[in-house]
Amino acid sequence: DAKTTQPPSMDCAEGRAANLPCNHSTISGNEYVYWYRQIHSQGPQYIIHGLKNNETNEMASLIITEDRKSSTLILPHATLRDTAVYYCIVRASYGGSQGNLIFGKGTKLSVKP
Amino acid sequence: GAGVSQSPRYKVAKRGQDVALRCDPISGHVSLFWYQQALGQGPEFLTYFQNEAQLDKSGLPSDRFFAERPEGSVSTLKIQRTQQEDSAVYLCASSPVGAFSTDTQYFGPGTRLTVL
Repeated sequence: DAKTTQPPSMDCAEGRAANLPCNHSTISGNEYVYWYRQIHSQGPQYIIHGLKNNETNEMASLIITEDRKSSTLILPHATLRDTAVYYCIVRASYGGSQGNLIFGKGTKLSVKP
Repeated sequence: GAGVSQSPRYKVAKRGQDVALRCDPISGHVSLFWYQQALGQGPEFLTYFQNEAQLDKSGLPSDRFFAERPEGSVSTLKIQRTQQEDSAVYLCASSPVGAFSTDTQYFGPGTRLTVL
């Protein structure tokens, strides 16, 4: 079973920031938080990942709480092309797992004009 | 550069037929994963290769499913005697080095299999 909990759907106005929450209360010390998204009829696309510190790249920012039990993916200026299902995944960096990703149902983000 | 490619993009099979789905990973990528995605669900892990070695096949749903990667590059997922419940999108992903890392997985567009 997925180790994360996400709202099933969210709406966002075009040009506004989209803030997608994720709960991962059972995360272990060696587990990273990953975000992928899947646009309709395409394969999942990597967005960002982090361990403890907040991370930012050209696509998004990842804010992880100090206790690491939850995180928020921020798309600073959402566009219609950001409409997709967003998956929050926790994954160990070593040991045990072979590294396969365990997806939940994700959050369907709809960006509206 | 070229990403992960999969063929065919769409496959319709009659129940009981055998099918073969192909994945061309990014050149030089060591790790290759297969996932199955049912309608409205997230992808689910099927199997994992490190070069030509199949290190994990714990997600294969039955012995009708078989995967290979004989030369450590192209991989084929074969499904024998297809059933309607096999209808899904089959996704392939590759990553540069071994799975024991924080490597990003790069996904192909998937093959949509419909079993009639």
